[in-house]
Amino acid sequence: NAGVTQTPKFQVLKTGQSMTLQCAQDMNHEYMSWYRQDPGMGLRLIHYSVGAGITDQGEVPNGYNVSRSTTEDFPLRLLSAAPSQTSVYFCASSSSRSSEYFGPGTRLTVT
Amino acid sequence: SQQGEEDPQALSIQEGENATMNCSYKTSINNLQWYRQNSGRGLVHLILIRSNEREKHSGRLRVTLDTSKKSSSLLITASRAADTASYFCATDTSGSARQLTFGSGTQLTVLP
Repeated sequence: NAGVTQTPKFQVLKTGQSMTLQCAQDMNHEYMSWYRQDPGMGLRLIHYSVGAGITDQGEVPNGYNVSRSTTEDFPLRLLSAAPSQTSVYFCASSSSRSSEYFGPGTRLTVT
Repeated sequence: SQQGEEDPQALSIQEGENATMNCSYKTSINNLQWYRQNSGRGLVHLILIRSNEREKHSGRLRVTLDTSKKSSSLLITASRAADTASYFCATDTSGSARQLTFGSGTQLTVLP
């Protein structure tokens, strides 16, 4: 199993640009989440999903959209990037019988 | 807002010593989890303790939970240089949707 994969690893955007961070898992997990981690801080939940077709907002959802059309994929969309969205983004997945598995992260810089 | 707060923020010890990190949280929880993060990497799950448990062991790790004080501690015994990492506690209040709330972490440095 590849586990949780994220692409890209690094990205630089200009203010106002849009992009999609990709996340995929091959463990058939029903739960998937997106977190952001700012320097010196823990992770904060952006959006999460409890299954295909079901998404909900976390602690810091503004400026981000998600969709879950399949069990495997959970992309995170930035519609109009802002410098405040400079962060490291982690995707995670889990099932009712497992702990969280985290991806390696995407380091995003918005200039 | 951060549900969990770790203490200390940074800890430096010699190899072979024990390391203790503490976590305090604010609301009722279903479980509390500890994670490790090596520099520039993703988080790795270490151990989960449920709200009705008081102590749990896994290898060199011992976790305690005091729900009356809303606090938890992580003890790493006989530390090794490879234990150098940031350690985070995370609380699960939802019980179903895995909405974890993380603390700000403790940076552990184990000196050889």
